[in-house]
Amino acid sequence: AQKVTQAQTEISVVEKEDVTLDCVYETRDTTYYLFWYKQPPSGELVFLIRRNSFDEQNEISGRYSWNFQKSTSSFNFTITASQVVDSAVYFCALSEALGDSWGKLQFGAGTQVVVTP
Amino acid sequence: DAGITQSPRHKVTETGTPVTLRCHQTENHRYMYWYRQDPGHGLRLIHYSYGVKDTDKGEVSDGYSVSRSKTEDFLLTLESATSSQTSVYFCAISEEGNTEAFFGQGTRLTVV
Repeated sequence: AQKVTQAQTEISVVEKEDVTLDCVYETRDTTYYLFWYKQPPSGELVFLIRRNSFDEQNEISGRYSWNFQKSTSSFNFTITASQVVDSAVYFCALSEALGDSWGKLQFGAGTQVVVTP
Repeated sequence: DAGITQSPRHKVTETGTPVTLRCHQTENHRYMYWYRQDPGHGLRLIHYSYGVKDTDKGEVSDGYSVSRSKTEDFLLTLESATSSQTSVYFCAISEEGNTEAFFGQGTRLTVV
């Protein structure tokens, strides 16, 4: 069975500080996808980033970066120079990539990020 | 933004009454999903569909049924609502080869 663990319930930072969100996953699949979604106070779910299991290259996209390590089953996400608008709940999710089960997401419990001015 | 519309957006209903939530998409995506969001649990999959009239259960399917008679609509029915089904319900869509799922705006359901 798949499982996603976000051990941090809430992180509070002051604006311009960096924030790193931890995500640890479990899966028996050899092909899978990992995601980060953002849920601002308005409630919608916003797709941020995606990584597939065959690509461990870490990247930076604007103020977002991620660190994918298969050896430790971790997919951590960093916001650099945080802003008040980054205040939201962030979800890590894992997806199968198999036929009719395509796209089913297993979510972590979420991490609340609070950025204060 | 992906064309996903959930209706209603808010609903209060009484225990024991039937409730149907609707998800409508204009993207012609093959896959559709219903999730519920509860504090401490993130989002959990209720049911999903991989084609017209093709559906399957998710992690928390007890007390729920679904139907998909056409590509664009995916209905979630609570046959007899209970207070434990008070939650925020999200519909999502995805297409094979384009792995990220796009979510509707959510439906807040309160069962009193």
